[in-house]
Amino acid sequence: GESVGLHLPTLSVQEGDNSIINCAYSNSASDYFIWYKQESGKGPQFIIDIRSNMDKRQGQRVTVLLNKTVKHLSLQIAATQPGDSAVYFCAEALKGQGGKLIFGQGTELSVKP
Amino acid sequence: KAGVTQTPRYLIKTRGQQVTLSCSPISGHRSVSWYQQTPGQGLQFLFEYFSETQRNKGNFPGRFSGRQFSNSRSEMNVSTLELGDSALYLCASSLAGTGNSPLHFGNGTRLTVT
Repeated sequence: GESVGLHLPTLSVQEGDNSIINCAYSNSASDYFIWYKQESGKGPQFIIDIRSNMDKRQGQRVTVLLNKTVKHLSLQIAATQPGDSAVYFCAEALKGQGGKLIFGQGTELSVKP
Repeated sequence: KAGVTQTPRYLIKTRGQQVTLSCSPISGHRSVSWYQQTPGQGLQFLFEYFSETQRNKGNFPGRFSGRQFSNSRSEMNVSTLELGDSALYLCASSLAGTGNSPLHFGNGTRLTVT
């Protein structure tokens, strides 16, 4: 499948620091990109999305950056809190196929108090 | 507004049996998608339904099927279960699923095949 990996990349940060989670997407034709947070025992929770005609979008404490030249997506979390500890997934979709997301392998974020 | 609801939460089945999982989307959402999540393969797209029609399909065998009802509720069925079908099955809904609105996921059904 498109998403592989038994061992998730892990990012460990100190509470209060900023976190940056990176993602390389697979298809240059992808039009829509989205970040999800998944906590243990729960489904993925929507964080923020961005379309291919933008390169930056901000939400509450989060910023998504899109670099189409190198097919790279990043999620920045400001003032990271212990409640931000989770697995973060990026996902991409072709235009008109928003229901069919292709997910990255995920990154586990661990916030130390 | 209530979120996406999936039932049952946990399910244990024996190899060879079949199973039906249920999903109630967020009120007003007409698109429902299903995903399989495993530690080895991550999150993989199964299929998407919109207005009772399958609009997209992933690369899963024909043992995996689904349907959507007129009230947008959806079910997925897996026949002749195999050990490798053990996974978390996630349902997600969106307003249109055309790339303009994000998918909202339920908490999944944990299926264990023994």
